[in-house]
Amino acid sequence: AQTVTQSQPEMSVQEAETVTLSCTYDTSESDYYLFWYKQPPSRQMILVIRQEAYKQQNATENRFSVNFQKAAKSFSLKISDSQLGDAAMYFCAYSDYGGSQGNLIFGKGTKLSVKP
Amino acid sequence: SAVISQKPSRDICQRGTSLTIQCQVDSQVTMMFWYRQQPGQSLTLIATANQGSEATYESGFVIDKFPISRPNLTFSTLTVSNMSPEDSSIYLCSVEVLRTGAEAFFGQGTRLTVV
Repeated sequence: AQTVTQSQPEMSVQEAETVTLSCTYDTSESDYYLFWYKQPPSRQMILVIRQEAYKQQNATENRFSVNFQKAAKSFSLKISDSQLGDAAMYFCAYSDYGGSQGNLIFGKGTKLSVKP
Repeated sequence: SAVISQKPSRDICQRGTSLTIQCQVDSQVTMMFWYRQQPGQSLTLIATANQGSEATYESGFVIDKFPISRPNLTFSTLTVSNMSPEDSSIYLCSVEVLRTGAEAFFGQGTRLTVV
């Protein structure tokens, strides 16, 4: 069975600085998706960034980028120029490619605090 | 993308009662999913709701406790039956929009407190 592990329950960053959130996963599949979701206090889960496993290039979305290491099964999220609005729970998630793609497997989450 | 309306947003219920949570999507989707997020925890899939067939439940979740309806391609309900304090959680529905490549869209969640 696939698993997703986030080893940092909490992280803190100074406003305008850079922070990296870690995620490792385990799967026997070769094709899959990886995601980072953000959950602010409003509870709305928001997709931050998505990576297809077959793509070697790391995904980037404005201030958010990932370091995808397929062989190491590692998928970290880097937030540059951190803003107060980035404070939230961040969940790393995995989905098989094909089949029930909406069936996401989530990590336990990392609570990010941003200090002014 | 998809816009999902979930209600109620929160409720406080007496133990032994039932609560039905509604999830409305602004477009037709094949698959809808119900998750539970216990306090301070991650999301756990309860069941997958397909239109025209019975929901598929994950290990640890049963239909008698969490009956699900999916009458059409834009709507689903989850009922939490015979509630106990252990059912206090956030319940979220999500949908899959294939055209966007496996991205799941989520409702705002329902915060349930059982007293």
